[in-house]
Amino acid sequence: EAQVTQNPRYLITVTGKKLTVTCSQNMNHEYMSWYRQDPGLGLRQIYYSMNVEVTDKGDVPEGYKVSRKEKRNFPLILESPSPNQTSLYFCASNWGGFDNEQFFGPGTRLTVL
Amino acid sequence: GDSVTQMEGPVTLSEEAFLTINCTYTATGYPSLFWYVQYPGEGLQLLLKATKADDKGSNKGFEATYRKETTSFHLEKGSVQVSDSAVYFCALSDLGGGADGLTFGKGTHLIIQP
Repeated sequence: EAQVTQNPRYLITVTGKKLTVTCSQNMNHEYMSWYRQDPGLGLRQIYYSMNVEVTDKGDVPEGYKVSRKEKRNFPLILESPSPNQTSLYFCASNWGGFDNEQFFGPGTRLTVL
Repeated sequence: GDSVTQMEGPVTLSEEAFLTINCTYTATGYPSLFWYVQYPGEGLQLLLKATKADDKGSNKGFEATYRKETTSFHLEKGSVQVSDSAVYFCALSDLGGGADGLTFGKGTHLIIQP
């Protein structure tokens, strides 16, 4: 089954404790992205990657890091989480192109205390 | 920059009612337009899309027509069901939908009552 998986699905942590949210896709997609979803703000892109070792900032990259060492994986790293990073996070992947559908993971709900 | 504006909810309708969710956009180029749906506790999934002016996207009884003259992509369904309760996002892609991802509206929460 074609899918994007994320782990963990739920995470409660404390300020300053480094964490990683993993994302993996099995569709051999070139492009991968991370979004955060906040009430009243919709989805905003954090980082994206066009291929292995190629990443770039989205609209809200502050406080986040990513890496793309393998085509299928695109982890999101919070080196020193803060309460304003409490949010619902989605990973997505696609082939690219104008009419290209993005495939989303199930989401990770992160709470930073 | 690009932006998407959609009516914010919640929108509450009775089963079998007619649905319209308005969406307008601002883009510098000739974007592709999408509607995504998010069911409770799940990620987003593509509902329908249109890639050029006057195209109509359709799926599961939902339709939307790409209107370049009014920069709109309104979502419609003739007879909604309780199972259509979800959050609906209008989105655009101005650079191929790949590198830059999608620009989303804020989402419209739709509640269908039996």
